[in-house]
Amino acid sequence: GAGVSQSPRYKVAKRGQDVALRCDPISGHVSLFWYQQALGQGPEFLTYFQNEAQLDKSGLPSDRFFAERPEGSVSTLKIQRTQQEDSAVYLCASSTSGKGGYTFGSGTRLTVV
Amino acid sequence: DQQVKQNSPSLSVQEGRISILNCDYTNSMFDYFLWYKKYPAEGPTFLISISSIKDKNEDGRFTVFLNKSAKHLSLHIVPSQPGDSAVYFCAAEQSGGGADGLTFGKGTHLIIQP
Repeated sequence: GAGVSQSPRYKVAKRGQDVALRCDPISGHVSLFWYQQALGQGPEFLTYFQNEAQLDKSGLPSDRFFAERPEGSVSTLKIQRTQQEDSAVYLCASSTSGKGGYTFGSGTRLTVV
Repeated sequence: DQQVKQNSPSLSVQEGRISILNCDYTNSMFDYFLWYKKYPAEGPTFLISISSIKDKNEDGRFTVFLNKSAKHLSLHIVPSQPGDSAVYFCAAEQSGGGADGLTFGKGTHLIIQP
């Protein structure tokens, strides 16, 4: 497709449930980023991939968060044992290079109840 | 510790007038700055950017000004149009090594009054 696609658009999870969020970047984009946007805040960096290599995961808030991009295209962000504070919009962005020129997806809104 | 600050949560401007959105940063390692526009239920859309070697960049109705000594940048929209109503995020990055990804401000909700 022409843009970054994220699914699902909305996800409601019970506390303690595991969730998986998917990102389909623009074809050919080498770099892929995940951001977390809490209500009333700006997006905050979670992790960065260059092709299949996860080069930076310093923004992941806890070891319950795990991201992968095994074939260098589609990426999955997994959150284990979800907590209420995980409720946020999770944004994926891709670019042809590591810096600048990011295209964002529409995000997945996760609500933990 | 917010490294990128947008101190105005909202701004209301009359259609046709100039909108000025402000952004301050604290990290002197930032050397590339971007503005994103966001509509509800959509992802941020890139608007305009500026490198730290410049003090101004213009694209149609949008101009970004950078004052490095003050660690301040601003986005000017003139003339403002109803479709400009959205949340605007200021973002910064270090282009040469350093942290990956963008550091965002909290955003300013711009409302264009007819």
